[in-house]
Amino acid sequence: QKEVEQDPGPLSVPEGAIVSLNCTYSNSAFQYFMWYRQYSRKGPELLMYTYSSGNKEDGRFTAQVDKSSKYISLFIRDSQPSDSATYLCAMSARAPGNTGKLIFGQGTTLQVKP
Amino acid sequence: KAGVTQTPRYLIKTRGQQVTLSCSPISGHRSVSWYQQTPGQGLQFLFEYFSETQRNKGNFPGRFSGRQFSNSRSEMNVSTLELGDSALYLCASSPPLEGNEQYFGPGTRLTVT
Repeated sequence: QKEVEQDPGPLSVPEGAIVSLNCTYSNSAFQYFMWYRQYSRKGPELLMYTYSSGNKEDGRFTAQVDKSSKYISLFIRDSQPSDSATYLCAMSARAPGNTGKLIFGQGTTLQVKP
Repeated sequence: KAGVTQTPRYLIKTRGQQVTLSCSPISGHRSVSWYQQTPGQGLQFLFEYFSETQRNKGNFPGRFSGRQFSNSRSEMNVSTLELGDSALYLCASSPPLEGNEQYFGPGTRLTVT
């Protein structure tokens, strides 16, 4: 079983829809949670960063972490065709022994249709 | 601030050769991590360097190695290339606070023939 599970999709939605992306994890030591967006043939771009449980909002993006359920989510409001990309969740435990190491989900491919 | 830069962007090598990839982190970032990305395995951690020292290492064979210089620039080397080493190699740097938020470069796409 992988430490981080993410549905690869693809997920196709109409422009303006609310998108929900999710990951589950098994390692209760994870404390830092991130969402990255990756366009084809580009490096991942950090979208959201959350420490421990709770919600964080940034523009059209909201990240939620539920450590009791080992479940994290990313919501995209008013989705745009430019949001079409692969979304990767990533997480890590506190140091020592875990410095610099992120564990990634497989990524969800999102297509927003005009 | 300039982002993470990686050179070269594309490489084609043949089996048995070796290759060196370079990464320049964001100014002020001292931690550099390397990842391999393939369609089948996704993003996998190779190693992390901080202040010229390898602090963490993933589950890759010894053919994969790296180093970091005093200006925080980093290189990774793959010796005796195999077809399965074809991948996108990504470098990421982190700001000097614990938290592991990482900022990625555009990657080097390596093709082994």
